[in-house]
Amino acid sequence: EVHLVESGGGLVEPGGSLRLSCAASGFTFSTSSLNWVRQAPGKGLEWVSSISGGSTYLNYADSVRGRFTISRDDAKNSLYLEMNSLTAEDTAVYYCARVGRGGNEYGSGSYDCWGQGTLVIVSS
Amino acid sequence: EIVLTQSPATLSLSPGERATLSCRASQSISIYLAWYQQKPGQAPRLLIYDASNRATGIPARFSGSGSGTDFSLTISSLEPEDFAVYYCQQRAGWPLTFGGGTKVEIK
Repeated sequence: EVHLVESGGGLVEPGGSLRLSCAASGFTFSTSSLNWVRQAPGKGLEWVSSISGGSTYLNYADSVRGRFTISRDDAKNSLYLEMNSLTAEDTAVYYCARVGRGGNEYGSGSYDCWGQGTLVIVSS
Repeated sequence: EIVLTQSPATLSLSPGERATLSCRASQSISIYLAWYQQKPGQAPRLLIYDASNRATGIPARFSGSGSGTDFSLTISSLEPEDFAVYYCQQRAGWPLTFGGGTKVEIK
């Protein structure tokens, strides 16, 4: 069974940093494209970042480019999101999501598996 | 950026009724549109990918159609578990974007 489990969320002060992790199981991780998607409290879904298999292609939303870094460790079947210079606008549940059928080699596509999400709160 | 506009924002229907949700793109996205269902406190679930393909395990009462800029998700006969928020998402260009959502509520 395909499974994604996020961790690393929590309360952080404005300007602070946090590293999110996503542990994957049940599929061939190394060849899969993965994305981070976030959802602010009571709001809709916002794509954050994507990484292709082999880390060949990385993409970021304008709102996080230069502050967030996506990476993966295929040996550990894990996806990461390093977040720096956090602001209140980054407060959200962060989901990792796997690109399934209907995807391309650049890392975009539709998401056929999602983790349960990890909550990041940026507040003083 | 490709903007996706979903309508209506809220759809009030009774179980057994037909639901039709709309998603309009600000420019042509071919068939590169997906639909998700999200219930409170849960992660989204993929329903439809590439406009009209049902994802694994999705009941046949869910169907998607459209291409270019106009898309729709139809639920042929609403079951109690279908009352939720539905989002569309495009993968035609960066940044990937989602629509604002349509809430299907019990009338």
